[in-house]
Amino acid sequence: DQQVKQNSPSLSVQEGRISILNCDYTNSMFDYFLWYKKYPAEGPTFLISISSIKDKNEDGRFTVFLNKSAKHLSLHIVPSQPGDSAVYFCAANSGGSNYKLTFGKGTLLTVNP
Amino acid sequence: DTGVSQNPRHKITKRGQNVTFRCDPISEHNRLYWYRQTLGQGPEFLTYFQNEAQLEKSRLLSDRFSAERPKGSFSTLEIQRTEQGDSAMYLCASSLGPINTEAFFGQGTRLTVV
Repeated sequence: DQQVKQNSPSLSVQEGRISILNCDYTNSMFDYFLWYKKYPAEGPTFLISISSIKDKNEDGRFTVFLNKSAKHLSLHIVPSQPGDSAVYFCAANSGGSNYKLTFGKGTLLTVNP
Repeated sequence: DTGVSQNPRHKITKRGQNVTFRCDPISEHNRLYWYRQTLGQGPEFLTYFQNEAQLEKSRLLSDRFSAERPKGSFSTLEIQRTEQGDSAMYLCASSLGPINTEAFFGQGTRLTVV
């Protein structure tokens, strides 16, 4: 039972363009969402998060949008840079379990120079 | 601080052997987590410590798995009688507050059971 779904295993974009990574969730108890970036042979690194009381959070080139009615969130990277090439994981948490993140399978982003 | 440190980075073992992994969290973090990532999947929660107390365990953590965090500092994860299905990346993370604040992950220990 995949409660957090990232349906695109990979995405390729040109340097300078926008990257949009998508994530859907099924558990309506989730109230906090996070994006992690992972390079090969490294652990996941926290990127940006959003609480369910918001619909947008921005940090530099990274913006996360949350559509609660659709149970959908997306990560926008503008402009994309070759160093952004990595696997991006969407993760969700419910406040009742402050120890557990439920991750999607990840999307491999490749930014071409 | 050098972040969350995990040792060893790689472990190859024969089926049926016991293995132990170590995690050293960021020093002031009182919360520590173990996750497991198999090929093509995202990390899955295994267990959670607050200080030295193990507060939660996933159903994924069979009785062949045991985790400890003596004195609330480093943690060990032991797998007894390893099986090929145990082959995975074992990730440790630590945080000062709840995991939906900024949790830091280690580089992981990649276990291969042959």
